[in-house]
Amino acid sequence: NAGVMQNPRHLVRRRGQEARLRCSPMKGHSHVYWYRQLPEEGLKFMVYLQKENIIDESGMPKERFSAEFPKEGPSILRIQQVVRGDSAAYFCASSPLPGQSTDTQYFGPGTRLTVL
Amino acid sequence: GQQLNQSPQSMFIQEGEDVSMNCTSSSIFNTWLWYKQDPGEGPVLLIALYKAGELTSNGRLTAQFGITRKDSFLNISASIPSDVGIYFCAGEIVGPYMYSGGGADGLTFGKGTHLIIQP
Repeated sequence: NAGVMQNPRHLVRRRGQEARLRCSPMKGHSHVYWYRQLPEEGLKFMVYLQKENIIDESGMPKERFSAEFPKEGPSILRIQQVVRGDSAAYFCASSPLPGQSTDTQYFGPGTRLTVL
Repeated sequence: GQQLNQSPQSMFIQEGEDVSMNCTSSSIFNTWLWYKQDPGEGPVLLIALYKAGELTSNGRLTAQFGITRKDSFLNISASIPSDVGIYFCAGEIVGPYMYSGGGADGLTFGKGTHLIIQP
């Protein structure tokens, strides 16, 4: 049973370019969460999605960042016009069904974004 | 928003020693989780706690969910070299709130405890 998959594992972009990060949840999981981790920091919640719905984007920056989880295919976190401050590790987590004792989130290996 | 205070920030111990770390919060959480993160990897779940007062073990690891729902601790007994890494506590608000249309919060993480083991 494959775990949460993220790609690419490493991404380098120049300022002003777009970054697309992909996340495939664990089999049977329909809830996806995105987090950002700066060096020497804990993870910070960004957005929570179900298939075709954004449930909570309270941690998402208002501009340049967007996320989707289409009916088919992986969840995508998109960062437009990247700036150096966007450099971080971005982690995706999935869970089967929140609100119950089995809603534990399982994390992917992360995508390390470096903005030059 | 919620904040978790995790301590200590780092620990230097001898192999074989016991380890204790904790998290406190000014807010109530309904779920406490402990994760371990190795360099270049994502967090791996160690222990999940769902009830106030709950004490749960996973091998040499033991964690407790505080009665007030505002704190949790993690103990590691007889540390070994592979225990080295960063340990994070995380709190989650789940339950009826999520179905009331009020949205759902993700996990709130502490800043981590760096565990370093000297042979």
